[in-house]
Amino acid sequence: DVKVTQSSRYLVKRTGEKVFLECVQDMDHENMFWYRQDPGLGLRLIYFSYDVKMKEKGDIPEGYSVSREKKERFSLILESASTNQTSMYLCASRLGGGKTNEKLFFGSGTQLSVL
Amino acid sequence: DAKTTQPNSMESNEEEPVHLPCNHSTISGTDYIHWYRQLPSQGPEYVIHGLTSNVNNRMASLAIAEDRKSSTLILHRATLRDAAVYYCILRAQGGTASKLTFGTGTRLQVTL
Repeated sequence: DVKVTQSSRYLVKRTGEKVFLECVQDMDHENMFWYRQDPGLGLRLIYFSYDVKMKEKGDIPEGYSVSREKKERFSLILESASTNQTSMYLCASRLGGGKTNEKLFFGSGTQLSVL
Repeated sequence: DAKTTQPNSMESNEEEPVHLPCNHSTISGTDYIHWYRQLPSQGPEYVIHGLTSNVNNRMASLAIAEDRKSSTLILHRATLRDAAVYYCILRAQGGTASKLTFGTGTRLQVTL
């Protein structure tokens, strides 16, 4: 099975800090995604990447950036963390190729608290 | 993006079948219907998907209405381990066709 690993399960940061959330997948998937999950709002897409060095904005990209220098790794960056970025962050990957029936594989999530 | 509508919560007794409904009245002709579920403290996991015909796999069955405006995820015998949030999702069309947009899902409670 595909393994999607997020570097931290819990993270506490201070307002204004630069925060890196790391995600690694081990199945040579082309597509990778970052979602955030908040009570009552479900999962919302922040950014996704079709392939190395390629990225596209999702539904809520404001306040975030991403980096994909290697195929297996997709990083989410909070340039200056704010309290409204306190959330559960979920990384996912998919094989790619533009097929409509491909599965997403998710990591276990990182619960970020910004104080 | 075509949207889906699901009940916020449902309850079931263990060992009984569960039918989880999803409405997607604005679905387009080439949208696939995907279902994922999220167990407590975990990321979502794939359950099943379909286009027009009913689908079965080891986890569940997917029944799709003839007009494709609704679908039903069927768990044939619910167990306590099936307690989760279930998401019904349509594959987005257009330039960002690769993304899947999740809603708030249905929280399924399974009791003894």
